[in-house]
Amino acid sequence: EVQLVESGGGLVQPGRSLKLSCAASGFTFSDYAMAWVRQAPKKGLEWVATIIYDGSSTYYRDSVKGRFTISRDNAKSTLYLQMDSLRSEDTATYYCARRAIYFDYWGQGVMVTVSS
Amino acid sequence: DIVMTQTPSSQAVSAGEKVTMSCKSSQSLLYSENKKNYLAWYQQKPGQSPKLLISWASTRESGVPDRFIGSGSGTDFTLTISSVQAEDLAVYYCEQYYDTPLTFGSGTKLEIK
Repeated sequence: EVQLVESGGGLVQPGRSLKLSCAASGFTFSDYAMAWVRQAPKKGLEWVATIIYDGSSTYYRDSVKGRFTISRDNAKSTLYLQMDSLRSEDTATYYCARRAIYFDYWGQGVMVTVSS
Repeated sequence: DIVMTQTPSSQAVSAGEKVTMSCKSSQSLLYSENKKNYLAWYQQKPGQSPKLLISWASTRESGVPDRFIGSGSGTDFTLTISSVQAEDLAVYYCEQYYDTPLTFGSGTKLEIK
């Protein structure tokens, strides 16, 4: 059974940093691209970043380029999202998702609140 | 960026009724080389994470009830639920994976009368 479990969320002040993790199990992690998708409170889904299977290529939405870094450790079957220079508009539930071109499995999500 | 427009934003139906919801993209999602539409549908129940229902515009995922039917091509797509059940209460999102940035529609909220 595929499982994706996010952690690392919380309350952070604007301008500070936070690092999310996603522990994967139930599949060969190194075979798949992975992604982060977020959802602001009461809002829709927004793709944040993607990393291909071996970590050699990454893709970001414009609003997080230069501030967020997606990475992975295939030996640990873990996906990361380093979030720097956080803004209030980054407040959202962040989902880790497996990419089989589309998002075929999602984690339960972790809440990030950016507020002073 | 490819803009995905979903209508209606919300819909209330009685159990057993048929419901259709629309998703339109600002450019074609049909890739000419493989004749596939790069369009997925997701279901998000209250308090839960999204779940993939349909990929390639019309391919139902394993375990998804056959009352969920995806159709359409190019820029116009439809999700039909042939006979709505109480457990179908959810927000339904379409997503294009034709190009980066990946984009979602704003969702159609399905309410059960």
